[in-house]
Amino acid sequence: DIQMTQSPSSLSASVGDRVTITCRASQTISTYLNWYQQKPGKAPKLLIHSASSLQSGVPSRFSGSGSGTDFTLTISSLQPEDFATYYCQQSYGSLDTFGQGTKLEIK
Amino acid sequence: QLRLVQSGAEVKKPGSSVKVSCKASGGTFSSFAVSWVRQAPGQGLEWMGGITPIFGTINYAQKFQGRATITTDESTSTAYMELSSLRSEDTAMYYCARVGSYSYLDYWGQGTLVTVSS
Repeated sequence: DIQMTQSPSSLSASVGDRVTITCRASQTISTYLNWYQQKPGKAPKLLIHSASSLQSGVPSRFSGSGSGTDFTLTISSLQPEDFATYYCQQSYGSLDTFGQGTKLEIK
Repeated sequence: QLRLVQSGAEVKKPGSSVKVSCKASGGTFSSFAVSWVRQAPGQGLEWMGGITPIFGTINYAQKFQGRATITTDESTSTAYMELSSLRSEDTAMYYCARVGSYSYLDYWGQGTLVTVSS
């Protein structure tokens, strides 16, 4: 199976900060990389698909980049509603895997 | 607008099985694939497996091979995930999700809490 390693596992930041979360795949996955946001008690929400495509309705302060094995999710200016847990997911081939998650907390 | 509605919470004994349903409204499973993802309390997301009815393919994460069974009933636009030989570690929220064009999960059910306890 393809392993996904996210870093950091937790992050403290302030409203207005620029934040970057990284995700590394154990083998090349082209751009089959997706990012999700999850708030407590809720189902995950798709933010970015195919490494850099913003899902419809998601604010433009979210962006994704990368290909091959290294990927990043950037939030350009944190808003109060962005404090949540973020997961990457690889969908290369027929067996998907998620990263372990990054919990974004208010500083 | 597609909506996925899952069955209600379950409490099961160790060694038993559970079958969770996921009914689609605003779309039919014959036109898209479905994945199942679980989340143990306080833990991350874990992909369990997926089904693509149009191709008749079903894939399972190695961890769930032989214990999970994913099916669909196109007549009722419902997907199912059955997990057998339950143990306490299977206590989790179970989600179904639609697989979009490039294998991303764009619509999610509300989740079904399965508790395994003696």
